[in-house]
Amino acid sequence: NAGVTQTPKFQVLKTGQSMTLQCAQDMNHEYMSWYRQDPGMGLRLIHYSVGAGITDQGEVPNGYNVSRSTTEDFPLRLLSAAPSQTSVYFCASSYGHANTGELFFGEGSRLTVL
Amino acid sequence: DAKTTQPPSMDCAEGRAANLPCNHSTISGNEYVYWYRQIHSQGPQYIIHGLKNNETNEMASLIITEDRKSSTLILPHATLRDTAVYYCIVISNRDDKIIFGKGTRLHILP
Repeated sequence: NAGVTQTPKFQVLKTGQSMTLQCAQDMNHEYMSWYRQDPGMGLRLIHYSVGAGITDQGEVPNGYNVSRSTTEDFPLRLLSAAPSQTSVYFCASSYGHANTGELFFGEGSRLTVL
Repeated sequence: DAKTTQPPSMDCAEGRAANLPCNHSTISGNEYVYWYRQIHSQGPQYIIHGLKNNETNEMASLIITEDRKSSTLILPHATLRDTAVYYCIVISNRDDKIIFGKGTRLHILP
């Protein structure tokens, strides 16, 4: 098992550009989520999904879109990147719903917006 | 908002037990207490969770007070590799929003 795989690991964007952060898991987990972590701060929930075809907003959803067409994949789209979106992004997954056990995290994607 | 309160930082001597407190005074009956840690800039790692009974695994022990309004994570013999940010969170069986607070930055001193 590869666990939770995030790509790319590093990305530099210019203001206004769009991009997609990829997240894939091979554990057949129903629950997936995206967090961002700014320097010296905790994690903030962007979006989450409890299964294919179902997504919902977290604490800081503005500027981001998600979709869940398959159980394995949960991409995060930045529509028009802004310097305020410079952050480390973590994808996580869990079997069943959020409270049914541990969250498995990816290694993170470090995004810089110039 | 996070439903827990943790001290921003703590120190512990290497080899001693590290006791990390967490206040969750508004916890409801169907909410679990979970602990995660984040070493440097890696993704957070699950440690342990519990509902009302004390729990122990190979990494740590979780002590939950009888009224469930607070808990303590115990690392029995702290090592330098335990230096990390520790997050205490509560999760209900109805809410799928997992909200992390700022956690406690634990420094293990040699």
